[in-house]
Amino acid sequence: DQQVKQNSPSLSVQEGRISILNCDYTNSMFDYFLWYKKYPAEGPTFLISISSIKDKNEDGRFTVFLNKSAKHLSLHIVPSQPGDSAVYFCAASAGGGNKLTFGTGTQLKVEL
Amino acid sequence: EAGVVQSPRYKIIEKKQPVAFWCNPISGHNTLYWYRQNLGQGPELLIRYENEEAVDDSQLPKDRFSAERLKGVDSTLKIQPAELGDSAVYLCASSWGNNSPLHFGNGTRLTVT
Repeated sequence: DQQVKQNSPSLSVQEGRISILNCDYTNSMFDYFLWYKKYPAEGPTFLISISSIKDKNEDGRFTVFLNKSAKHLSLHIVPSQPGDSAVYFCAASAGGGNKLTFGTGTQLKVEL
Repeated sequence: EAGVVQSPRYKIIEKKQPVAFWCNPISGHNTLYWYRQNLGQGPELLIRYENEEAVDDSQLPKDRFSAERLKGVDSTLKIQPAELGDSAVYLCASSWGNNSPLHFGNGTRLTVT
């Protein structure tokens, strides 16, 4: 049972344009959501998070949107840069604990 | 700040052999995690420690996997005996508290032949 789903295995975007990565979840107990970025042969790196009491969180070029009624979150990267090319994982946890459930990841490629 | 350190980076063993992975978390992080990542999948939690105590090991295959975190700092994860299906990347992570981001090491890529 995949509680966190990233239905797009890959995404290709031109440099300077917006990248939108999507994530859906099924567990209504999830109340904390994170995005991680992973380069080859490295561990995932924390990017941005959002609590369920918010619907938007921004950090520089990265914005995460949360739609609780739709059980959907998205990561926007504006403008996209070639260095953003990586695998992006969505993750979620419930009840203040840190037991993260990860999605399967989306490979983002930012082309020149 | 030094990151989470894992060793070895790569390990190739034959099935039925034992293997061990080591992790040194970020200084001051009381919570330590071991995750396993299979090819094309997201990381899956194996075990979580709060200091020396394993507070969540429900996903750890206890017939062949064991872990310890002596003195609440470094941790080792052991597989004995290894099976072909254990081939994966084993990730260690640490955090300082609830709802704080996990910081991952670079992982150990295990290949069982």
